[in-house]
Amino acid sequence: AQRVTQPEKLLSVFKGAPVELKCNYSYSGSPELFWYVQYSRQRLQLLLRHISRESIKGFTADLNKGETSFHLKKPFAQEEDSAMYYCALLRAGSYQLTFGKGTKLSVIP
Amino acid sequence: EAGVAQSPRYKIIEKRQSVAFWCNPISGHATLYWYQQILGQGPKLLIQFQNNGVVDDSQLPKDRFSAERLKGVDSTLKIQPAKLEDSAVYLCASSNGQYNSPLHFGNGTRLTVT
Repeated sequence: AQRVTQPEKLLSVFKGAPVELKCNYSYSGSPELFWYVQYSRQRLQLLLRHISRESIKGFTADLNKGETSFHLKKPFAQEEDSAMYYCALLRAGSYQLTFGKGTKLSVIP
Repeated sequence: EAGVAQSPRYKIIEKRQSVAFWCNPISGHATLYWYQQILGQGPKLLIQFQNNGVVDDSQLPKDRFSAERLKGVDSTLKIQPAKLEDSAVYLCASSNGQYNSPLHFGNGTRLTVT
């Protein structure tokens, strides 16, 4: 069975500092990986997905199959980045997303 | 476009009572999901519909949970009887049904079982 691990429950960084939210997965096939974000008082929404290879709000994430990781990075944190971040895995050929437990990012002004 | 609508936003019931949640997905979205999110956990899929058919309900506790999407549009999720451990946020999400398409979530219903 697939599993998504986000080792940090809470990550606090100062504004302007680099951010890295860790995500590791276990899955024997070729997964699709996503990052979802939930800002305060807002609904859960897609931030980015690895197949798009895009930067959203300054965030990027690279799938490292050797390390089975999909860490989310941003070079300079902003206060508005404070939110709950969830890493999610989609099994090949499946529509079922498996979510990690989430990491709360707090950007200190 | 209008987002996924859920009601009620909050519900408090006593154990052994029953409760129902309603979801209206984004117009035209063929796929509808119900997730359970317990405090401190990520969302866990309970059931997935494609139009009005069930695609995956492997994690739905069928002895007490049921869900339907009779006309392939809105959906209801029911718990009967509720247990203390059912206290959670119940999230509805929809997608256009294409593989790898993003999920659009509702605001969720926060259920407290006392």
